[in-house]
Amino acid sequence: GAVVSQHPSWVICKSGTSVKIECRSLDFQATTMFWYRQFPKQSLMLMATSNEGSKATYEQGVEKDKFLINHASLTLSTLTVTSAHPEDSSFYICSARDSASGELFFGEGSRLTVL
Amino acid sequence: GIQVEQSPPDLILQEGANSTLRCNFSDSVNNLQWFHQNPWGQLINLFYIPSGTKQNGRLSATTVATERYSLLYISSSQTTDSGVYFCAVGLARDKIIFGKGTRLHILP
Repeated sequence: GAVVSQHPSWVICKSGTSVKIECRSLDFQATTMFWYRQFPKQSLMLMATSNEGSKATYEQGVEKDKFLINHASLTLSTLTVTSAHPEDSSFYICSARDSASGELFFGEGSRLTVL
Repeated sequence: GIQVEQSPPDLILQEGANSTLRCNFSDSVNNLQWFHQNPWGQLINLFYIPSGTKQNGRLSATTVATERYSLLYISSSQTTDSGVYFCAVGLARDKIIFGKGTRLHILP
């Protein structure tokens, strides 16, 4: 099946710093990518929909200045957590929609810990 | 908005047992997928199944779109099947809604 690569897998940072997470579709083009946040033992919460070449669409309650999303090419979307605080610690997952089939594929996830 | 309900929420089985996981949705959907999240958090695609029946090894899935439900069957369970199983439905304008998942624990 199609592969979506997410990097880094885990990151520990100090409070106040910014962290960038990359999501790449390796063998298909993805005009649309999605970013989720998952708290322990809960389902995935959609944060934003990232469209190539245009601004991301954020879900209600998600701060767009806090979680910057860039989708500069058909194979890459990035999520930057700006001025991270301990409450931003979470598991962040990206997914990409195969433009040809419509099927959704997920990255491996990135576990962020803010000290 | 649309509701996606998965049942049961938790399931504990002995290795070798069969199981059926259910996903009900309250409105028409464009597509439906089943995923397995392993204990390390990685989400694995199982089935892309807007309608009909598909099989892959010990797993199979059936979606009856007109009756707004989908079933995931796991036969001859193995300990590696443990984890959380999510269904996700796709709506118009790329909206995707996840169920809360079924947490499956297979005992050796």
